[in-house]
Amino acid sequence: DAGVIQSPRHEVTEMGQEVTLRCKPISGHDYLFWYRQTMMRGLELLIYFNNNVPIDDSGMPEDRFSAKMPNASFSTLKIQPSEPRDSAVYFCASSLAGPLSYEQYFGPGTRLTVT
Amino acid sequence: SQQGEEDPQALSIQEGENATMNCSYKTSINNLQWYRQNSGRGLVHLILIRSNEREKHSGRLRVTLDTSKKSSSLLITASRAADTASYFCATDKGGNTDKLIFGTGTRLQVFP
Repeated sequence: DAGVIQSPRHEVTEMGQEVTLRCKPISGHDYLFWYRQTMMRGLELLIYFNNNVPIDDSGMPEDRFSAKMPNASFSTLKIQPSEPRDSAVYFCASSLAGPLSYEQYFGPGTRLTVT
Repeated sequence: SQQGEEDPQALSIQEGENATMNCSYKTSINNLQWYRQNSGRGLVHLILIRSNEREKHSGRLRVTLDTSKKSSSLLITASRAADTASYFCATDKGGNTDKLIFGTGTRLQVFP
C-alpha cells in the first residue's frame, strides 16, 4: 500500500481565497483524521470520520473550515475564505479501527501558507 | 490544555548514549502511544502501551507506563544520528472515545 496520500504537498495562497486539501486514506481503514500542526499550538485534531461519517468536529476552528468524506477513499478539508492565521501544516491520518487499540498512519502533510 | 506534555522540550546527546523522554497526562487512559516525526514529515507510530501494561520493548525502544503517576517514559538505547527527530506521546481520554490527544513533543538531536 502507498500509505496515506495527501495533495497538494505545498500550497501558497492569498488571504480570502478558497483552499482545498485532499486526502486518500489507506485502503480498508475505517477512521480518518484531520490534524493541524503549528509551532504555537502543536498538533491539533480538527475532525475525524468513522466509516465516512463525521464523528467529532469540535476541533474545527470556525465556520470557515469544512470537511467531507464522500467515500471511503477520499476526504477533503476546505478553508473558505483563508486567512494568514490558517498557515500551518495539515495532516491527514487513517487507522484500521479506533485509536483505543490501533495506531494512526499519517500522510506527509500539506504545508499551507496564506499571505 | 494538552492531555500529554513531554519533558524535556529538547534533548541533545552524542551517538551511543541513551535518550529518555517523559510524558505526563491528566485523565485516565485506555492506552498511550509514542510517535516520531522527522523534520518535514508526518508522524510515525513507534509503540502502543495499554493501561494494564507497565513496560514494553521494541528493538532499541523501551516504554514504561505508571498510571498512578499518570506518566510514561520512552527510552532509546544506543542512540544513532538517525534517531534525530521529535517524539510525541499521545493518549486517549479514557472512556469510549476514538480521539487521540498529542503532547507537545520532545526534540531530540543526536550528534555523530
